[in-house]
Amino acid sequence: EPEVTQTPSHQVTQMGQEVILRCVPISNHLYFYWYRQILGQKVEFLVSFYNNEISEKSEIFDDQFSVERPDGSNFTLKIRSTKLEDSAMYFCASSVDGGSGYTFGSGTRLTVV
Amino acid sequence: QKEVEQNSGPLSVPEGAIASLNCTYSDRGSQSFFWYRQYSGKSPELIMSIYSNGDKEDGRFTAQLNKASQYVSLLIRDSQPSDSATYLCAVKKTSYDKVIFGPGTSLSVIP
Repeated sequence: EPEVTQTPSHQVTQMGQEVILRCVPISNHLYFYWYRQILGQKVEFLVSFYNNEISEKSEIFDDQFSVERPDGSNFTLKIRSTKLEDSAMYFCASSVDGGSGYTFGSGTRLTVV
Repeated sequence: QKEVEQNSGPLSVPEGAIASLNCTYSDRGSQSFFWYRQYSGKSPELIMSIYSNGDKEDGRFTAQLNKASQYVSLLIRDSQPSDSATYLCAVKKTSYDKVIFGPGTSLSVIP
């Protein structure tokens, strides 16, 4: 069964450092998303991406966040200057048509120290 | 008012029983509704989607939608210990809108 692949599975970084989280969506999917889940809390929307541009972003997705689809297969989330409160599980998801349910990747656990 | 609400649980049911999970949403214009299962430390996994009023069955799972009451439910028949997980209700306003998740209900199936 096709799957969404995320790397790395776990990243530890120092506060103020930049991190890039990587995702390979399912090949025929056209809509891409990033969500995060702080430990013990709900899954929160960060950003949606379609046709090489951001479709929608949440209040969480401020200027320190950016997304890119650099090469037609990878989809990345960059956090420019990490804060302690960025520690969370980050999930990439994709959808074939935007209207159906999403397929999630296995997530990247980001720990900011 | 929170957009998607669920009882946090934990909900405990004996093996073989029916587990009933409930969800309410605030935006009356919402059109698409999903149930995801999330095991501890894992990613959400889509188990059911429902778009029109009534029941939708898939194996041991039945999703029920009542748009007038802004209510979605998930029934799990013949519950198994492997069903023990957190169940996330999720809602989309329009087809191309983002999915908004509820806080989840923790289900424990006791052997």
